[in-house]
Amino acid sequence: AQKITQTQPGMFVQEKEAVTLDCTYDTSDPSYGLFWYKQPSSGEMIFLIYQGSYDQQNATEGRYSLNFQKARKSANLVISASQLGDSAMYFCAMREGTTGNQFYFGTGTSLTVIP
Amino acid sequence: DTGVSQNPRHKITKRGQNVTFRCDPISEHNRLYWYRQTLGQGPEFLTYFQNEAQLEKSRLLSDRFSAERPKGSFSTLEIQRTEQGDSAMYLCASSPPPTFNEQFFGPGTRLTVL
Repeated sequence: AQKITQTQPGMFVQEKEAVTLDCTYDTSDPSYGLFWYKQPSSGEMIFLIYQGSYDQQNATEGRYSLNFQKARKSANLVISASQLGDSAMYFCAMREGTTGNQFYFGTGTSLTVIP
Repeated sequence: DTGVSQNPRHKITKRGQNVTFRCDPISEHNRLYWYRQTLGQGPEFLTYFQNEAQLEKSRLLSDRFSAERPKGSFSTLEIQRTEQGDSAMYLCASSPPPTFNEQFFGPGTRLTVL
């Protein structure tokens, strides 16, 4: 089974609108971390946000928030007030264990912000 | 600090040749990771180091791949007897203690095997 599933190959959003990128994960480890990365066309991966499995509140970082639904094993990324510079590939990732080793990445979602 | 750097940025080689890539992490980042990314896919974990110790290696990693981090600073990834299927972007990332939650990625080395 895939550790990380991103079912949206491509998404479009109007500038200044909010958008949700879906991510579901699969693990039997009670302790894990969930991550979102942005990869612009330039290629460099940029860390956006982190959510620990024991965190009580959803993580937020500026315009990014992570909608963490543990029972459903989903960790959707919400980008508010989209900007043209948000156009990029977005990857969801998971690390099992508290400071575990491997990061498992999804196949990514390509986001295009329309002016 | 200038971030994670990788050299070369591009490498074109003929099948059967050996290639070596270098990664210079952010100083004081204990953990260093190598990933491979092919077109349309997310990064695939290859191996990681805690200081100079290689603590985990992907089962998918062939014996033709070897990585070192001799002094706990820079790391090298060598691919012996390259095959066309090795063509990919090779990414390096480093993480700071204590949580290692944040990974800082380098720009990658794009390998093309002819």
